[in-house]
Amino acid sequence: AQTVTQSQPEMSVQEAETVTLSCTYDTSESDYYLFWYKQPPSRQMILVIRQEAYKQQNATENRFSVNFQKAAKSFSLKISDSQLGDAAMYFCAIISGSARQLTFGSGTQLTVLP
Amino acid sequence: KAGVTQTPRYLIKTRGQQVTLSCSPISGHRSVSWYQQTPGQGLQFLFEYFSETQRNKGNFPGRFSGRQFSNSRSEMNVSTLELGDSALYLCASSLAPRTGGETQYFGPGTRLLVL
Repeated sequence: AQTVTQSQPEMSVQEAETVTLSCTYDTSESDYYLFWYKQPPSRQMILVIRQEAYKQQNATENRFSVNFQKAAKSFSLKISDSQLGDAAMYFCAIISGSARQLTFGSGTQLTVLP
Repeated sequence: KAGVTQTPRYLIKTRGQQVTLSCSPISGHRSVSWYQQTPGQGLQFLFEYFSETQRNKGNFPGRFSGRQFSNSRSEMNVSTLELGDSALYLCASSLAPRTGGETQYFGPGTRLLVL
């Protein structure tokens, strides 16, 4: 079984500042993949970033980067130079190599203040 | 390349009725997964189809069923609707994964309201 925990139901950040969203996970598999998705008010789930567990290098996508700590089973998302359009619900998710279903955390609602 | 499309976008039904939701994956994607999103339960996996076969199923009652066609389009059906079935139903597609872990791309969802 795989589980994902997001302990911050809500967070806020000032525009142009940096914010970090936390995520911890648990899985018995050695082969797994981690994701951050964002869900704006439109409810469309949008992929933000993906991390393969076998890769030591942290994934980066423009202003978005992760801090992947495999031993601690931690997978945090850092958003730099926050923009108003970053306001959304952010979900951390895991999929194990042998499974084909995403398991999601409960989400973190991010507010960006002008 | 067009994204995942879902129809209808909004649906209102009454208890006891049945409903069919449709999902067209990204061109070339052969795996389609369905998720239910509710305020109370969050995002929960329903089932996954590949090559017209259900490969994986979540913990939902038999009232929830699905199928996939030869062109990879998928439908899910909910029979004997209950108030608790009100939710956002999300479809996601991915390439044909050999071992899993493929990125899933989501459609805009179908909002179902059961009265």
